[in-house]
Amino acid sequence: AQSVTQPDIHITVSEGASLELRCNYSYGATPYLFWYVQSPGQGLQLLLKYFSGDTLVQGIKGFEAEFKRSQSSFNLRKPSVHWSDAAEYFCAVGLGSSNTGKLIFGQGTTLQVKP
Amino acid sequence: AAGVIQSPRHLIKEKRETATLKCYPIPRHDTVYWYQQGPGQDPQFLISFYEKMQSDKGSIPDRFSAQQFSDYHSELNMSSLELGDSALYFCASSLRTGYNSPLHFGNGTRLTVT
Repeated sequence: AQSVTQPDIHITVSEGASLELRCNYSYGATPYLFWYVQSPGQGLQLLLKYFSGDTLVQGIKGFEAEFKRSQSSFNLRKPSVHWSDAAEYFCAVGLGSSNTGKLIFGQGTTLQVKP
Repeated sequence: AAGVIQSPRHLIKEKRETATLKCYPIPRHDTVYWYQQGPGQDPQFLISFYEKMQSDKGSIPDRFSAQQFSDYHSELNMSSLELGDSALYFCASSLRTGYNSPLHFGNGTRLTVT
């Protein structure tokens, strides 16, 4: 079955430090890949997405992610974290075979930013 | 810019009661998705509609039903509520069905069943 794994439940980084959030997926074909951010009590906001083409995608708020087919990974990165980046981050997979827009989410990674 | 509107924001119900959650998509969006997010959990897909027809179905209990109306708003009806139904329910909309149209999420309805 298709699945998304985010190995890190919690991550703490210092403000200004670099960040990498891991995401691995299990799917036979090339999936549609997404990263969403959720602040407390808020809905999910799309950071970036990968469908095809260049495997390094740029998103909003200075985030980027790299699709690595050989590792079935889509890790999210940011060179310098700001305190406002503290939130929960979800990696999600869209199943291309159905293309109904349905997403399967990972368990989420909570990011804490130290001053 | 207009966003996805969900009402109510908070809802408290007792076991075995019914609840109706409403979702108003972004204007011109014809596709609506419902997700359930339990405490500390990832969002789970429940059901989606495209042009007022059900387009996909996920782990939605038989006690739940949903529909999309002619104005594209959607309602999630939940009956015989159980304690385990306590969760944050998100609605999302997109301009068209499919992954090329990004999902825009509402802020959710927090349902508490006591």
